[in-house]
Amino acid sequence: AQKVTQAQTEISVVEKEDVTLDCVYETRDTTYYLFWYKQPPSGELVFLIRRNSFDEQNEISGRYSWNFQKSTSSFNFTITASQVVDSAVYFCALSEANRGSTLGRLYFGRGTQLTVWP
Amino acid sequence: EPEVTQTPSHQVTQMGQEVILRCVPISNHLYFYWYRQILGQKVEFLVSFYNNEISEKSEIFDDQFSVERPDGSNFTLKIRSTKLEDSAMYFCASSVSGYATNEKLFFGSGTQLSVL
Repeated sequence: AQKVTQAQTEISVVEKEDVTLDCVYETRDTTYYLFWYKQPPSGELVFLIRRNSFDEQNEISGRYSWNFQKSTSSFNFTITASQVVDSAVYFCALSEANRGSTLGRLYFGRGTQLTVWP
Repeated sequence: EPEVTQTPSHQVTQMGQEVILRCVPISNHLYFYWYRQILGQKVEFLVSFYNNEISEKSEIFDDQFSVERPDGSNFTLKIRSTKLEDSAMYFCASSVSGYATNEKLFFGSGTQLSVL
């Protein structure tokens, strides 16, 4: 079973539109950590945000916001007023903490390719 | 901002050959990782390394793979006898610690390995 599901393979929007990237996770652990990473065309993985399971506060950082809902096991990512530079693959990832795993074992979703057209 | 450095950016090798992928983690980090991404697929965990030993490894990390921290700065991934299916982008990552509640992984830019 997939631990992290990103059902949207590709999304295309026009600049200035808002866009939401979906992420659904599955875990039996009571303590876990969720992440979003951005992979621009240059290929590197850029950290965007980390959210702990015991902290359900939503977060806003500039044009980016994240909606963490434990009840639906979702951790969605919204970009407001999208820009061409937002074009990238976005990965959601999960780390489980209760089984002796180090934090570093991240389970990634398959990613969502976001294309923002001018 | 400090970053994880990986060399080379591209490596081409013949099937059956040994390859070593090199990484320089961020200097004050203590945990090191390798991940790989086969073209078009998700990023997959290979191994984590702390205090000069493997902390955890995935089912992908079989006897063909090994990791080493040969000195105080480098962290390497060796594939002993490459197969076609080893072709992928290999990412090195590091973190200050493994369990802190505010920890995150810093990834390098990756090494694209092509096995012919």
